[in-house]
Amino acid sequence: DIQLTQSPSFLSASVGDRVTITCRASQDITTYLVWNQQKPGKAPKLLIYAASTLQSGVPSRFSGSGSGTEFTLTISSLQPEDFATYYCQQLYSYPPTFGPGTKVDIK
Amino acid sequence: QVHLVQSGAEVTKPGASVKVSCKASGYTFTGYYIHWVRQAPGQGLEWVGWVNPSSGDTNYAQKFQGRVSMTKKTSINTAYMELSRLTSDDTAVYYCAREDVSTLGVVLGFDPWGQGTLVTVSS
Repeated sequence: DIQLTQSPSFLSASVGDRVTITCRASQDITTYLVWNQQKPGKAPKLLIYAASTLQSGVPSRFSGSGSGTEFTLTISSLQPEDFATYYCQQLYSYPPTFGPGTKVDIK
Repeated sequence: QVHLVQSGAEVTKPGASVKVSCKASGYTFTGYYIHWVRQAPGQGLEWVGWVNPSSGDTNYAQKFQGRVSMTKKTSINTAYMELSRLTSDDTAVYYCAREDVSTLGVVLGFDPWGQGTLVTVSS
């Protein structure tokens, strides 16, 4: 199975901050990487697919980049509604696997 | 719009089985795979498997082989996941999610997700 790691696992930030989360894959997954956002008590929500394409309705302050084994999710200006846990997920091969998550908390 | 609505919370005993439903609306149910993902309390996301609502074909994570069954009932646009021989380690929120695909058939991600069903296994 393809393993995904994320860093940091926890991030404390203020409204307006620029935030970057990194996801690394144990092997080349080209751009078969998605980012999901999960708020407490809620289901995950797809933010970005194919490493860098914003899902419809997702604010443009979110962006994704990377290919191969290293990927990043950037929030250009953190908003109050962005405090959540972010999971990367690979769809390159079965089984689909998720990173352990990065919790973004309020400083 | 596209919605997935799951059945309510379940409390069950070790060794028993549980069956969770996922009712789809707002799209052609047979056109998209339904995946099941679980999340133990305070933990991350774990893929369980998928069912093809058109053919009934399934694909399960090796960890659940022999213990999970995913089915569908197209007349009511509903997918099901049944997990048997439950232990306390199966206590989790179980989510269904639609596999979103491009016009070229490339899997884009899971969207949307159902609201989740808490399954509690306790003696």
